Amino acid sequence: GAVVSQHPSWVICKSGTSVKIECRSLDFQATTMFWYRQFPKQSLMLMATSNEGSKATYEQGVEKDKFLINHASLTLSTLTVTSAHPEDSSFYICSASGPLDPYEQYFGPGTRLTVT
Amino acid sequence: DQQVKQNSPSLSVQEGRISILNCDYTNSMFDYFLWYKKYPAEGPTFLISISSIKDKNEDGRFTVFLNKSAKHLSLHIVPSQPGDSAVYFCAASLTGGYQKVTFGTGTKLQVIP
Repeated sequence: GAVVSQHPSWVICKSGTSVKIECRSLDFQATTMFWYRQFPKQSLMLMATSNEGSKATYEQGVEKDKFLINHASLTLSTLTVTSAHPEDSSFYICSASGPLDPYEQYFGPGTRLTVT
Repeated sequence: DQQVKQNSPSLSVQEGRISILNCDYTNSMFDYFLWYKKYPAEGPTFLISISSIKDKNEDGRFTVFLNKSAKHLSLHIVPSQPGDSAVYFCAASLTGGYQKVTFGTGTKLQVIP
């Protein structure tokens, strides 16, 4: 099956710094990538949708200036958490879908962000 | 507004028995439904899906049932195995080429050996 990787798998940063998380589709071209955030005991919340070469579409309530998403190629999307605060600590998951099956999303393993 | 709801946050089942996970949705425009399995600190893994034109889809030990009139779907796992212990997310999406998926809150399944 299709493989999506994320890097890093976990990161600890200090409050006020920025953190970049990479999401890569390893064996297929991801026309669309999604970024999710999961809080403890809560569902996966979609943050934004990005199509290669265009600006990301953010969900209501997600600060686009704080969570910068770049989808520069068909295999790479990045999420940058700018000026991170402790409340940004969470588990961030990306997913990718290809052109052949628009309903299939392949999820990355997730990135645990802890802001101290 | 939670459009996809999983009212049981947890479920315990004996190994070998049937596990039934339920999901309700409110948006009648949803026409494609998916179940994902998720282990702690990992991304979700796709399990099985069903289109709104069907009422049942089966894949090995997993069967999904859809009742459109009741806006309800369920996932049956038979027989349940200890390795099935995980959080199961129900998800729904709309057609039109847009793959946005709305997730339920998840049900934690524990299969007791």
